[in-house]
Amino acid sequence: GNSVTQMEGPVTLSEEAFLTINCTYTATGYPSLFWYVQYPGEGLQLLLKATKADDKGSNKGFEATYRKETTSFHLEKGSVQVSDSAVYFCALSEDYGGATNKLIFGTGTLLAVQP
Amino acid sequence: DGGITQSPKYLFRKEGQNVTLSCEQNLNHDAMYWYRQDPGQGLRLIYYSQIVNDFQKGDIAEGYSVSREKKESFPLTVTSAQKNPTAFYLCASNQGSKKNGYTFGSGTRLTVV
Repeated sequence: GNSVTQMEGPVTLSEEAFLTINCTYTATGYPSLFWYVQYPGEGLQLLLKATKADDKGSNKGFEATYRKETTSFHLEKGSVQVSDSAVYFCALSEDYGGATNKLIFGTGTLLAVQP
Repeated sequence: DGGITQSPKYLFRKEGQNVTLSCEQNLNHDAMYWYRQDPGQGLRLIYYSQIVNDFQKGDIAEGYSVSREKKESFPLTVTSAQKNPTAFYLCASNQGSKKNGYTFGSGTRLTVV
């Protein structure tokens, strides 16, 4: 079945360090891929997405490229800030017919940025 | 602004009680979802609904029930049969294409006392 695997945390970085959070997936067909962010005590917010191979999603300095050949969608940021501290979820979505689709989530990666 | 509203933000349940979590959306989305989140376990799907008056079990439906009488509303009842209900519950909705992703509510934290 479809699945998402992302690196386990916590990831602890100093402010202005480079961030990579790895995400790989297994899917049939042609999924769309997403990164969501969850701040403490809140729901999930869509951070970025890519809907086909070689697409690059970007938002707030974060980037991820849809790599079909390696089935990966790694999240990167060149210089993290303390305010980026949160849990990051990688997810994939495929059509299941009708008016809906299902999101399959990874287990989440906690990022802690220290000043 | 359109969005999803979950209430209450915090909820306490005594042993043996049923409690209902509210989820309302004004996005005109057809599909709605309930997830449970436990520390270190990511999100697990409880129930989902593609259309009014129809819903499907997710991966961990035992001890939960839902209804979808209106497009805007998808309440979740945590019954006394759910043995370990303490968790963070998230409601989401989406429309149409797999490209759209989900919109999430801000969650309800349920604690058994």
